[in-house]
Amino acid sequence: GESVGLHLPTLSVQEGDNSIINCAYSNSASDYFIWYKQESGKGPQFIIDIRSNMDKRQGQRVTVLLNKTVKHLSLQIAATQPGDSAVYFCAENNAGNMLTFGGGTRLMVKP
Amino acid sequence: GAVVSQHPSWVICKSGTSVKIECRSLDFQATTMFWYRQFPKQSLMLMATSNEGSKATYEQGVEKDKFLINHASLTLSTLTVTSAHPEDSSFYICSAELAGQETQYFGPGTRLLVL
Repeated sequence: GESVGLHLPTLSVQEGDNSIINCAYSNSASDYFIWYKQESGKGPQFIIDIRSNMDKRQGQRVTVLLNKTVKHLSLQIAATQPGDSAVYFCAENNAGNMLTFGGGTRLMVKP
Repeated sequence: GAVVSQHPSWVICKSGTSVKIECRSLDFQATTMFWYRQFPKQSLMLMATSNEGSKATYEQGVEKDKFLINHASLTLSTLTVTSAHPEDSSFYICSAELAGQETQYFGPGTRLLVL
């Protein structure tokens, strides 16, 4: 759901390791979820999406998992690279095709 | 495909100035565009939803007379910050929705600094 924070949680990983970024959503009626990547000073970039009739979807190096029971979404990035360093937002699509963004997680990849 | 541009990228202006930001879908038609505002280290907050040819729908707490939105064509929406004040300084981001799809594609954002 709507989330405004004074600071972003940070996940720090070593280059080559796998990253898991978590997100809790609020609206049980949401049926479409998206992960976005936002680099500093840029707009969000679409990474992967998933519909509520699925619990897993894979892309290139990324996997999204959806647990509707606990309203939890996760993004897994395999073999994390320095270029993956960014802020990651989950978004839920509810009534009227509006996106509600989570608070975001900053991913820092150490070389 | 699905490229969205914004202009300008950066604006620095004096207090009281009105600033217009353009959002264009470059390679597709967007019946719906969205305007967001993002303060440092915070998430995106939806300001308004803009449908081509009709009045924008503003989120609670967003002054429609302060943030004028015009969606005159299927590829262009504009946001005008009227009589900008320092507290309006923020990163303004638009997105456009492909007709028949739910995915929003975002522009690169416009950073506004009001002195």
